Amino acid sequence: DTAVSQTPKYLVTQMGNDKSIKCEQNLGHDTMYWYKQDSKKFLKIMFSYNNKELIINETVPNRFSPKSPDKAHLNLHINSLELGDSAVYFCASSHNRNTEAFFGQGTRLTVV
Amino acid sequence: SQQGEEDPQALSIQEGENATMNCSYKTSINNLQWYRQNSGRGLVHLILIRSNEREKHSGRLRVTLDTSKKSSSLLITASRAADTASYFCATVMLQGAQKLVFGQGTRLTINP
Repeated sequence: DTAVSQTPKYLVTQMGNDKSIKCEQNLGHDTMYWYKQDSKKFLKIMFSYNNKELIINETVPNRFSPKSPDKAHLNLHINSLELGDSAVYFCASSHNRNTEAFFGQGTRLTVV
Repeated sequence: SQQGEEDPQALSIQEGENATMNCSYKTSINNLQWYRQNSGRGLVHLILIRSNEREKHSGRLRVTLDTSKKSSSLLITASRAADTASYFCATVMLQGAQKLVFGQGTRLTINP
């Protein structure tokens, strides 16, 4: 039973397309996150949701729109994809801000 | 700006030796966490140490925290080839946004 699962694992798409990445957690956590890992392995938070409410939007272009239909799901939709969006995107969840986070296996997005 | 910085950026040792990685951060924290990332995989939580704790153990892992120096170290004893991975420290700040702020990671290679 995967705790945090995200799909797809790989995504190759052309510039200008719109794509979505889905994330689900079965841990009963209140908080979910999206992180971006660049080619130098640097991890940076993009969004954080608590009980379906957006609490962090870390200066991410508005082409990125997260959606949390319920506490267990946090999806990421990206419009008008650009070459610079190529990265690995990780979904994560935690019980609260002061506990450990559980990460999905990542989605490697390649924009060509 | 990035909260954590890790040292060294890369470490290569022989199997059976001990590996030490260091992490420095800038602001007051609630807790500091260490994660492991195997190549092409998601992050796995290793240890969480709170700001009022100085040392924590988990199996072959030992984490120390010095809040006066704003630094932490991760020691892996009796290293194994399977310990080859990237190791990240992440901090949760005492006040402010609910997020993990990651260092740039240490790439650890254990040579058989």
